[in-house]
Amino acid sequence: DTAVSQTPKYLVTQMGNDKSIKCEQNLGHDTMYWYKQDSKKFLKIMFSYNNKELIINETVPNRFSPKSPDKAHLNLHINSLELGDSAVYFCASSGQLNQPQHFGDGTRLSIL
Amino acid sequence: GDSVTQMEGPVTLSEEAFLTINCTYTATGYPSLFWYVQYPGEGLQLLLKATKADDKGSNKGFEATYRKETTSFHLEKGSVQVSDSAVYFCALSTNAGGTSYGKLTFGQGTILTVHP
Repeated sequence: DTAVSQTPKYLVTQMGNDKSIKCEQNLGHDTMYWYKQDSKKFLKIMFSYNNKELIINETVPNRFSPKSPDKAHLNLHINSLELGDSAVYFCASSGQLNQPQHFGDGTRLSIL
Repeated sequence: GDSVTQMEGPVTLSEEAFLTINCTYTATGYPSLFWYVQYPGEGLQLLLKATKADDKGSNKGFEATYRKETTSFHLEKGSVQVSDSAVYFCALSTNAGGTSYGKLTFGQGTILTVHP
């Protein structure tokens, strides 16, 4: 069974569109995260939720809105997509704050 | 703020060569340190970790020792294999309170290619 699963794996869309990426974890973890990996492989945290509550919100445009319907899910909605949003987005989860995180396989977002 | 600096890549080695990837950090509080590996087309996997000074993390022949005096966590392997080709990330997570708690700060990643 996949521990942290993201859908879709690939997302190709036009500039200006709105899209969502879904993430689910079956590890029973309390904390979930979204990271962005740019073309140079640099990884940066975007958001973190603990028990459905937002605890980390880095400097991210407000076009990005995370939503956590329950502890096992953390979705990422992006409005008015821009060329600079092209990246690989990773979801992760951990059992307790500051414990090793488990990552999904990533969603490669390409903006045309 | 917290930061992690890794040696510049890419690193290209022959099979059975010795590997070192340097990692140094700056952090407030007392960080936990991690090495993650990313194989092509996959997400990150935890390779090893250390949570306090002088701890040695090890896994799959890789080792790294938490050196508080030099703020370093260098990754080593005595004999690399072609299957070790991947991107390696050093990361830290601090025990400080507030919004930094639970946040991983990554180094820029080091691409390793091992040739037969």
